Amino acid sequence: EAGVAQSPRYKIIEKRQSVAFWCNPISGHATLYWYQQILGQGPKLLIQFQNNGVVDDSQLPKDRFSAERLKGVDSTLKIQPAKLEDSAVYLCASSQTQGSYEQYFGPGTRLTVT
Amino acid sequence: GENVEQHPSTLSVQEGDSAVIKCTYSDSASNYFPWYKQELGKRPQLIIDIRSNVGEKKDQRIAVTLNKTAKHFSLHITETQPEDSAVYFCAPIRAAGNKLTFGGGTRVLVKP
Repeated sequence: EAGVAQSPRYKIIEKRQSVAFWCNPISGHATLYWYQQILGQGPKLLIQFQNNGVVDDSQLPKDRFSAERLKGVDSTLKIQPAKLEDSAVYLCASSQTQGSYEQYFGPGTRLTVT
Repeated sequence: GENVEQHPSTLSVQEGDSAVIKCTYSDSASNYFPWYKQELGKRPQLIIDIRSNVGEKKDQRIAVTLNKTAKHFSLHITETQPEDSAVYFCAPIRAAGNKLTFGGGTRVLVKP
């Protein structure tokens, strides 16, 4: 089975610019998560989708971050405008249904904001 | 929200020795206890997990033990090898489908 796909793998932008990341979960996985991992820390959840609905976005900085999963399959995470502290790896993960504990992670997108 | 702490933050062991990492959590309703391994520049990968109704689980050289009363669980790696060098994260969870709340990570270095 194909894993979680993410693109781009790397991105360098200047502060105040915008950027978008894309994630395609494992086929059939209803739940999709976006995590932010700052260097030297554990991943932190930004937003969780169940199909195309938001389950948890309590830690998403909504003044600059947005995410969507319009058709309940792939998802896009956007940052506008970016700040220096947004430099991190953005990990997408998916799981089969809300009844499944195991989450499968994509390779991540490493964002550097200069 | 869940408060998760790991100790130690770094661990250096000689090849062949054992390594133990402890994870403490605050949410008494947590009932699934996974450990993830993250090699440099790679994604986190699940290496072992345990449910709340089990006290210990073993898979070859790795094992996880759970003390629900004290709210902590531990990862045990025996006969360590250089390829065990990585950052290990615990991420207790209350229910299936919930977000993972990761600990701060333990950097393990196995010296040949």
